[in-house]
Amino acid sequence: SQTIHQWPATLVQPVGSPLSLECTVEGTSNPNLYWYRQAAGRGLQLLFYSVGIGQISSEVPQNLSASRPQDRQFILSSKKLLLSDSGFYLCAWSWRGQEAFFGQGTRLTVV
Amino acid sequence: QQQVKQSPQSLIVQKGGIPIINCAYENTAFDYFPWYQQFPGKGPALLIAIRPDVSEKKEGRFTISFNKSAKQFSLHIMDSQPGDSATYFCAASPSAGGTSYGKLTFGQGTILTVHP
Repeated sequence: SQTIHQWPATLVQPVGSPLSLECTVEGTSNPNLYWYRQAAGRGLQLLFYSVGIGQISSEVPQNLSASRPQDRQFILSSKKLLLSDSGFYLCAWSWRGQEAFFGQGTRLTVV
Repeated sequence: QQQVKQSPQSLIVQKGGIPIINCAYENTAFDYFPWYQQFPGKGPALLIAIRPDVSEKKEGRFTISFNKSAKQFSLHIMDSQPGDSATYFCAASPSAGGTSYGKLTFGQGTILTVHP
């Protein structure tokens, strides 16, 4: 069966510090991968999605970037965090279909 | 046109009641409509999904009703239980073949509370 792992579960970072959140999927090949952000416990906003290694599409302009160095690895990064980057970040995958499955999320607090 | 509008924002019912959550969309390219359930501090979990070729789909106590002409769909939870208390999200995704395939647009969520 397929599983998705996200880490860390929680993170507190100072303003101006870098960020790296990692997501990996097991049990499938060539999945579509997604990063979402959820603010204030509501509404999910799609940030990035990837259909293959090195292929990244950005949905909204922001202070973040994404990379996919391996087939089942998706990384969300920032060079300098802003207060407004605080939120709940969710990684998701789908495989040649529309059903998307989410990881358990990372709660990021920028202080 | 990419929005999915969800209502109500919050809903309180007694155990055994039938909460109904509604969603509406504009983009006629949407052809996949899932519902997700999210507990506090956890990622959303796929609950049930429907495609426009059927008007209703039932899985256990959860039912999706779909009205293609009105571009609306809703989630009904039969015999609701306190354990159903969670945030529910509707979503929609475009059909295959386009660059947007597989990308979900979410509603804003409904916080459901089921009292014992």
